[in-house]
Amino acid sequence: GAGVSQSPSNKVTEKGKDVELRCDPISGHTALYWYRQSLGQGLEFLIYFQGNSAPDKSGLPSDRFSAERTGGSVSTLTIQRTQQEDSAVYLCASSTVAASSYEQYFGPGTRLTVT
Amino acid sequence: DQQVKQNSPSLSVQEGRISILNCDYTNSMFDYFLWYKKYPAEGPTFLISISSIKDKNEDGRFTVFLNKSAKHLSLHIVPSQPGDSAVYFCAASALGGGSQGNLIFGKGTKLSVKP
Repeated sequence: GAGVSQSPSNKVTEKGKDVELRCDPISGHTALYWYRQSLGQGLEFLIYFQGNSAPDKSGLPSDRFSAERTGGSVSTLTIQRTQQEDSAVYLCASSTVAASSYEQYFGPGTRLTVT
Repeated sequence: DQQVKQNSPSLSVQEGRISILNCDYTNSMFDYFLWYKKYPAEGPTFLISISSIKDKNEDGRFTVFLNKSAKHLSLHIVPSQPGDSAVYFCAASALGGGSQGNLIFGKGTKLSVKP
């Protein structure tokens, strides 16, 4: 079966522009997460979707960041008015959140470079 | 303030020997721990996990040990193989504490296994 896919794989944008990053989770996974990894850092949690519940946005670094998940499947992370410090690899993960299994399955990431 | 710390940014081991990767955490609410492996230009892949009710979990060449009193866990790989060369991330979650399941990651340890 297909894993988590993300697009684009690479994105170079000018400072001040808006970008949209897409994530297709594993079919049937109800939970979807966005993380980012800046250079030399660990993965930083951004936002979490679970079913039809309100998303947990506690990790979003500023109001320039937003995300939505349509139909409980595909998710889009939007960064408005990008800044150079937004440059990072943005990773999406999905999971079943089953009682005995909380492993998250990651996509390959989108490398965002803001010039 | 980092809640999950991997104090060794890199580790070099000879093929066939044991690799020991260490991880410390500060949040006593963490009750589930995972190790992920990451190759360049790929997303992290789940390796092994342990619940806080256990002190050891073994899967083939990989064993994770948890010392709750010391807030310390370690990943043992034996025997190490060149294909194990990757960045290893320790992650933790406070599932019982009402967390949404988002993972808190360490900064990673780059393991190099020399033939």
